[in-house]
Amino acid sequence: GQNIDQPTEMTATEGAIVQINCTYQTSGFNGLFWYQQHAGEAPTFLSYNVLDGLEEKGRFSSFLSRSKGYSYLLLKELQMKDSASYLCAVRLPGLNDYKLSFGAGTTVTVRA
Amino acid sequence: SQTIHQWPATLVQPVGSPLSLECTVEGTSNPNLYWYRQAAGRGLQLLFYSVGIGQISSEVPQNLSASRPQDRQFILSSKKLLLSDSGFYLCAWRTARGTDTQYFGPGTRLTVL
Repeated sequence: GQNIDQPTEMTATEGAIVQINCTYQTSGFNGLFWYQQHAGEAPTFLSYNVLDGLEEKGRFSSFLSRSKGYSYLLLKELQMKDSASYLCAVRLPGLNDYKLSFGAGTTVTVRA
Repeated sequence: SQTIHQWPATLVQPVGSPLSLECTVEGTSNPNLYWYRQAAGRGLQLLFYSVGIGQISSEVPQNLSASRPQDRQFILSSKKLLLSDSGFYLCAWRTARGTDTQYFGPGTRLTVL
């Protein structure tokens, strides 16, 4: 089976920084996605890392270390609207297509 | 631009009743299509995926089935629902070539009583 671990919950203050860690042990690896999911809504794409290093997109950054099986999503200058669940997903190799294996998600609560 | 639709948005069904959920994609051709289920407090579980018309791959043995009668239409069905089928059902698509990202539809909230 695939093991993708994330913390269940995190709380932070508006304007602060929060780092969501994701560790994975999977049968193959072709990249790692981060999605944001507000309560009752569909996940929306945030970032995709294939190579080691940091990818920055505005207030959000994502880091990958393939040798350590580790990624993190960094949220800066937190806003109330950032309160959501953040899903880590590993792209598994496939012949004609690929599959994503998801972690259970990390619920981030931003407090005023 | 591409859009993905799912209906119905919410559904309450008795145990043992049939199910049909529909997903359609606009603005793209020959997409790869996926059905996921998200149970309360749990991660997304891949149920089925399809790389073309009539081509369905099942990931988890269960009482659900999927069909792809048209290029941009993906249907999830059951003949007899179980209580454990309750959850949030999400359809997703990606282009067969190019971007690797999967994009999700708005989802169907299914409650089996």
